[in-house]
Amino acid sequence: DAGVIQSPRHEVTEMGQEVTLRCKPISGHDYLFWYRQTMMRGLELLIYFNNNVPIDDSGMPEDRFSAKMPNASFSTLKIQPSEPRDSAVYFCASSSIDGGRNTIYFGEGSWLTVV
Amino acid sequence: AQKVTQAQTEISVVEKEDVTLDCVYETRDTTYYLFWYKQPPSGELVFLIRRNSFDEQNEISGRYSWNFQKSTSSFNFTITASQVVDSAVYFCALNAEWETSGSRLTFGEGTQLTVNP
Repeated sequence: DAGVIQSPRHEVTEMGQEVTLRCKPISGHDYLFWYRQTMMRGLELLIYFNNNVPIDDSGMPEDRFSAKMPNASFSTLKIQPSEPRDSAVYFCASSSIDGGRNTIYFGEGSWLTVV
Repeated sequence: AQKVTQAQTEISVVEKEDVTLDCVYETRDTTYYLFWYKQPPSGELVFLIRRNSFDEQNEISGRYSWNFQKSTSSFNFTITASQVVDSAVYFCALNAEWETSGSRLTFGEGTQLTVNP
């Protein structure tokens, strides 16, 4: 079975540019999460969706960040405009409460560098 | 509030040594889940194990074993006969209030394990 699929794997962009990260969750999972990993802050939850609806976006750092989930198989995390401090690894993850199998599976991450 | 503490920032061992990674957690919830994830140098986060708060049985999977003790709020991870391929950052994570707020994984800071040949 395919895992969580993220794209791009690596992105280098200039400050001020728009960045869009994409995620395809595991089929059948009804929760989708966006995490960010940095040396300073470790792994932090940015936002999560349940059945395509954003449930908690309190971790989104500021208005430059936005996330959407137009359908059960696709989500985007957008940064506009990007800044050097946004450089991090962004992970998408998915899970399902199904018979207690609420394990969260992560994608391979999108490595973002803003110069 | 939930908190996970991995006091060991870095551990270095020689191949074939046994190594234990410590994890201490804090939560007020009676129902919660504990996880271990591995992050190899390639960067992905690999799920290793999930434990719920009602199951204190220790678990063994090959060279890996986990010791869950509610009395000390610990969920330690032992690798027996370590190998170079075990070199990675290992994260302990906690999830509580699953049914009310979905999954909000709280991660520890991670332990960098280096296994030298």
